[in-house]
Amino acid sequence: QKEVEQNSGPLSVPEGAIASLNCTYSDRGSQSFFWYRQYSGKSPELIMFIYSNGDKEDGRFTAQLNKASQYVSLLIRDSQPSDSATYLCAVKKGSARQLTFGSGTQLTVLP
Amino acid sequence: DAGVIQSPRHEVTEMGQEVTLRCKPISGHDYLFWYRQTMMRGLELLIYFNNNVPIDDSGMPEDRFSAKMPNASFSTLKIQPSEPRDSAVYFCASSLNPGATEAFFGQGTRLTVV
Repeated sequence: QKEVEQNSGPLSVPEGAIASLNCTYSDRGSQSFFWYRQYSGKSPELIMFIYSNGDKEDGRFTAQLNKASQYVSLLIRDSQPSDSATYLCAVKKGSARQLTFGSGTQLTVLP
Repeated sequence: DAGVIQSPRHEVTEMGQEVTLRCKPISGHDYLFWYRQTMMRGLELLIYFNNNVPIDDSGMPEDRFSAKMPNASFSTLKIQPSEPRDSAVYFCASSLNPGATEAFFGQGTRLTVV
């Protein structure tokens, strides 16, 4: 079992819809959870991080964490074509400094 | 700050040749990470440094790979000899300590070994 699992997609949604990206992790000692966005040919850039169970909202983005189910998700409201990218879920265990990444979900927002 | 700077951006080399990738972290960042990204395996951590000292190199695939950080502003990842299966995008990232929440990535080096 991979430490961090994501549905590779591709996931296609129409412009203006809600895109839902999911991630599960295997290590219950994981403490911090990150969503990175990576455009084709570019480097990953941080969108959001979450530490506590529940929801965290930032503009059109909402991260959701459920530690009991070892599940973290990212919702993108009012999706735009510019949101088309690969979204990487990353997990940090305890006091560790390194991130463990999932394989990413490719999102396409159709105009 | 210019962010994490990597060089070269692209490298094409022949199998068996030595390859050296370079990274300049963001000034003041205590942690430096080397990642490799391929379609098959995604983004994998190779090694990371704290205050120029290698902390975890368990992700380094083989002895052909080596990394150094001679000072706080420079790190290298060397592959000798290179093989076609080393072809990937290599990212360097840096972060602050303590209390850092994110790692900032460089633009990456796309390595092709033919």
